Amino acid sequence: EDQVTQSPEALRLQEGESSSLNCSYTVSGLRGLFWYRQDPGKGPEFLFTLYSAGEEKEKERLKATLTKKESFLHITAPKPEDSATYLCAVQTGSNDYKLSFGAGTTVTVRA
Amino acid sequence: DTAVSQTPKYLVTQMGNDKSIKCEQNLGHDTMYWYKQDSKKFLKIMFSYNNKELIINETVPNRFSPKSPDKAHLNLHINSLELGDSAVYFCASTPSTGVGYTFGSGTRLTVV
Repeated sequence: EDQVTQSPEALRLQEGESSSLNCSYTVSGLRGLFWYRQDPGKGPEFLFTLYSAGEEKEKERLKATLTKKESFLHITAPKPEDSATYLCAVQTGSNDYKLSFGAGTTVTVRA
Repeated sequence: DTAVSQTPKYLVTQMGNDKSIKCEQNLGHDTMYWYKQDSKKFLKIMFSYNNKELIINETVPNRFSPKSPDKAHLNLHINSLELGDSAVYFCASTPSTGVGYTFGSGTRLTVV
């Protein structure tokens, strides 16, 4: 069974203090690794898809990277509006397209 | 607005009752899903339909029955509600490629 583990569970940052979130995975046949942002009371919002080791993607202050065993979400010079829960999910090489999620990292950025 | 919309947003009900949650997407996607998010925020797949055909049926009690009248709608009916059914239920959709999930805003179900 696919396993996705995210760390840390919670992260408190000062505005401007860069940090990284980790997502380690154990799957058979990775089809894609996804990062989502979830704000309280809302559904997950898509951030990135990574398909192969070595791939990197960026969006504003966020950068996602992928190796064969884990993915990192780097937050550079965060602002209070980056406060959210960040979810990692994997999609494996089956035909059903389901996502297997980690438990998430809740990031709080203080001004 | 193009979106995945769920109703109701909040649902409070007593144990033993039967309730339904509705989901509609106007994105033209072929595949729709129900996910359950428990109190620890862990999201887990429940069901998936592709063009009205059931594709995924994870280990979910048979008190939960999805229904897809057409490819734009996927409803979830729950019989004999239990305290442990309290959670946030998310509907989602993707095109037939399986890439580009769009989630609804969730239905918070509280069973008392």
